[in-house]
Amino acid sequence: SAVISQKPSRDICQRGTSLTIQCQVDSQVTMMFWYRQQPGQSLTLIATANQGSEATYESGFVIDKFPISRPNLTFSTLTVSNMSPEDSSIYLCSVEDEPTYEQYFGPGTRLTVT
Amino acid sequence: GENVEQHPSTLSVQEGDSAVIKCTYSDSASNYFPWYKQELGKRPQLIIDIRSNVGEKKDQRIAVTLNKTAKHFSLHITETQPEDSAVYFCAASSAGGSYIPTFGRGTSLIVHP
Repeated sequence: SAVISQKPSRDICQRGTSLTIQCQVDSQVTMMFWYRQQPGQSLTLIATANQGSEATYESGFVIDKFPISRPNLTFSTLTVSNMSPEDSSIYLCSVEDEPTYEQYFGPGTRLTVT
Repeated sequence: GENVEQHPSTLSVQEGDSAVIKCTYSDSASNYFPWYKQELGKRPQLIIDIRSNVGEKKDQRIAVTLNKTAKHFSLHITETQPEDSAVYFCAASSAGGSYIPTFGRGTSLIVHP
C-alpha cells in the first residue's frame, strides 16, 4: 500500500486565519481525497482531488472555504480558510489504490481553532 | 446517494468472546464493502473488504459476510483480544462513484481482559 504523510501533524490556530495542510504520497495516484473527522465522529468527505482538474466538493463544502491544490500525482494541499472554532477537527487525506480501489489514509492533521 | 447504517454504536465484550458489527446500505449499485479499524489517535486502517461477487471472506480471526438481497453486511471477530479494542467503520461504494466510500457512523469495540 502507498505510504502517505501529512504536514503539519497538529496545529493550534487563531480564529480568522488560514492553515494549509500538505499530503505527500510515495507513489503516483490518480485519486486523492480529503476528509474531516470531528471528535468521536465518522469520516466526512470534503472533496476529491484529481491532478490537472478542479477538485470536486461534497455538499456542504465550498472552494472558498477549503481550496485544494493537486499539482502532481504525488502531492495535494488543503487550505482551511478564515477559520472558526467549528473548524476544529482532524483532517485526513487518502488515496485510492488502483486497480483494487482500496483506500488508504494519511496520519491526519489535528487542528484546533481558538 | 448511498446511506450506510451501522450497529451497534458501542460493543463491549470479554476477551475471547466473539464480536459482530452489522451494517446496512441503501444503494443496490454498491458493490465494494471495506471495513476500517481506527485506534485512538491513529488513522483508519483497512482491515478487510468484500466485493459483491462473494458472500463471505475470512482473514485469520476476522470475517465479513455480505447479503446483497437484504443489503446488509457484517464484520465478525472471533477470539477477541484487548488489542482489538478500537472504533470500526464499515463503508459501501460502487464503481459509479469511483469507489468513493460512504462510511457508517462507527462502532466502538471494547475488549475487556
